[in-house]
Amino acid sequence: AQKVTQAQTEISVVEKEDVTLDCVYETRDTTYYLFWYKQPPSGELVFLIRRNSFDEQNEISGRYSWNFQKSTSSFNFTITASQVVDSAVYFCALSEFSNQFYFGTGTSLTVIP
Amino acid sequence: NAGVMQNPRHLVRRRGQEARLRCSPMKGHSHVYWYRQLPEEGLKFMVYLQKENIIDESGMPKERFSAEFPKEGPSILRIQQVVRGDSAAYFCASSPRIGSGRTNEKLFFGSGTQLSVL
Repeated sequence: AQKVTQAQTEISVVEKEDVTLDCVYETRDTTYYLFWYKQPPSGELVFLIRRNSFDEQNEISGRYSWNFQKSTSSFNFTITASQVVDSAVYFCALSEFSNQFYFGTGTSLTVIP
Repeated sequence: NAGVMQNPRHLVRRRGQEARLRCSPMKGHSHVYWYRQLPEEGLKFMVYLQKENIIDESGMPKERFSAEFPKEGPSILRIQQVVRGDSAAYFCASSPRIGSGRTNEKLFFGSGTQLSVL
């Protein structure tokens, strides 16, 4: 069974639009961690955020914000006023007690100038 | 502080040859993960190692693939008798030692090795 589901395979938006990337996870652990990574065209994965399961406060960092809802097992990522440099593949990931990391299949975001 | 170093960046092999992919984790990191990325398939876990130990190899194909992380030197992912289906980007990631608090630190990724099998 897929532990992390990113249903959106590809998204295209026009520059300055807001865009939300969805992430749904599945776990039986009570303690777990959620992550978002960005993979720009250069290929290297860049860490964006890490949240633990006990902290459901939404987080904002500049144009990026994250909405963590345990009730729906979701950890969605919103980019406000998107820019061309935001074009990348974004991965959501789950880490459980076993210290294993599970990644979703990624969402490819294209921001059109 | 150097990041996770993977080499080579690109590796071309003919069918039947061996591929050896190297990963030097960040300084002080004792946990290494290998992932394979195929187009439209995201990152697939292969193996999780600590120094001299394989912790979880549930994602490794049963044949032809092996991994090690010796006491000294880089982690090696070895693919014997490569086939065209092995063509992919292979990423290595490392994380620090997990202390008693078990904070599941983030993974630091290398730039990947693109393996092409002709």
